[in-house]
Amino acid sequence: AQSVTQLDSHVSVSEGTPVLLRCNYSSSYSPSLFWYVQHPNKGLQLLLKYTSAATLVKGINGFEAEFKKSETSFHLTKPSAHMSDAAEYFCVVSDRAGTALIFGKGTTLSVSS
Amino acid sequence: GAVVSQHPSWVICKSGTSVKIECRSLDFQATTMFWYRQFPKQSLMLMATSNEGSKATYEQGVEKDKFLINHASLTLSTLTVTSAHPEDSSFYICSAGGASGRGGYEQYFGPGTRLTVT
Repeated sequence: AQSVTQLDSHVSVSEGTPVLLRCNYSSSYSPSLFWYVQHPNKGLQLLLKYTSAATLVKGINGFEAEFKKSETSFHLTKPSAHMSDAAEYFCVVSDRAGTALIFGKGTTLSVSS
Repeated sequence: GAVVSQHPSWVICKSGTSVKIECRSLDFQATTMFWYRQFPKQSLMLMATSNEGSKATYEQGVEKDKFLINHASLTLSTLTVTSAHPEDSSFYICSAGGASGRGGYEQYFGPGTRLTVT
């Protein structure tokens, strides 16, 4: 069975400092992995996705993530946080095309000035 | 990416009434629709999966007689919450899945419907 574990429920950073949101996955197949962001009272926005191409994936708004099979990790990073990055972030896994996306519990990112 | 819409975006209903939520794939042939529920400050939980023209498959713990899902066409799926109660108040999000133009498979989320049952 597939699952994701987001290692931090809450991460706080200062504006201009790096962001690291950690995610480990479990999958019986070669997974597709995603990061979504959700701002308060809003829908989901896809930040980036990994689908067995390059292991370093670049997304929108300066975010990127690296797929590490040996560590079963897919951590999300950004070199410099912006106030507008404050939101809920979900790491998501899918085992096979056509199956549902399985969400992690989410990490709340707070950015202080 | 494809556009997926949900209607209504928010609804308030009285306890005991039924509410229908529509999910439309506007420019994408959705062979599969997924319905998720998100309680406040929690993650998305999969409720059910429906393939076009077939009965939905419900996740464990989701009452199929309470949450009626119809997926009659490649562009429309509906979720009807029957005899709604306050504990059904939640954010309901659909996802449309299907073949992409590049031979792969893509899923696109709708913007969600916030249901409040009084």
